[in-house]
Amino acid sequence: QVQLQESGPGLVKPSETLSLVCSVSGGSMDNYYWIWIRQPAGKGLEWIGRVHASGISDYNPALKSRVTMSIDTSNYHFSLRLTSVTAADAAMYYCARDDGDSFDSWGHGTVVTVSS
Amino acid sequence: QSVLTQPPSASGTPGQRVIISCSGGRSNIGNNFVYWYQQLPGRAPRLLVYRRNQRPAGVPDRFSGSTSGTSASLAISGLRSEDEADYHCATWDDSLRSWVFGGGTKLTVL
Repeated sequence: QVQLQESGPGLVKPSETLSLVCSVSGGSMDNYYWIWIRQPAGKGLEWIGRVHASGISDYNPALKSRVTMSIDTSNYHFSLRLTSVTAADAAMYYCARDDGDSFDSWGHGTVVTVSS
Repeated sequence: QSVLTQPPSASGTPGQRVIISCSGGRSNIGNNFVYWYQQLPGRAPRLLVYRRNQRPAGVPDRFSGSTSGTSASLAISGLRSEDEADYHCATWDDSLRSWVFGGGTKLTVL
């Protein structure tokens, strides 16, 4: 069973860049999409985007201008960069695997606070 | 404001059948499969129902999904206390070129 674990700074200053890494274990990264989803406290889920093992990526249009995702299948991790953060970007950030049928495996999530 | 619309809350007593709705449009639910995720308190979401009412291993058949036009629903029969959770619907939106979610429904077992 594949396992995912998010890591990164829990506190980011306004206007700065949020960077998170998702480490993958227990399975190959090949032939899958790897995604980031976030959930502000008390609110619903928001798909941020996905990166394929090949490096191809797609982003939520609402965030596209600020998001970059990358992947390193040899070292079993993929990353999220979100620039120019504001208080609206404060949330629980999850990484997950898209097996083509569903988001079938999720990390536990990491809380990101935006504050000076 | 979520693209898909879910009621913020639902409730039932043990043993009851509860239905949670998810409303969308032609570019999302009307043209794509709907997925349901269960999020227990303080936990990450987990896949509950996918494609045409398929369930991953370990999900009991008390959970079932259906779609009609631009609306979907999740039915939970034989309600149990451990079903108390948030439930999220999701699908792909052809116009937005993005996955979209509902705002989530908090299910309380009375």
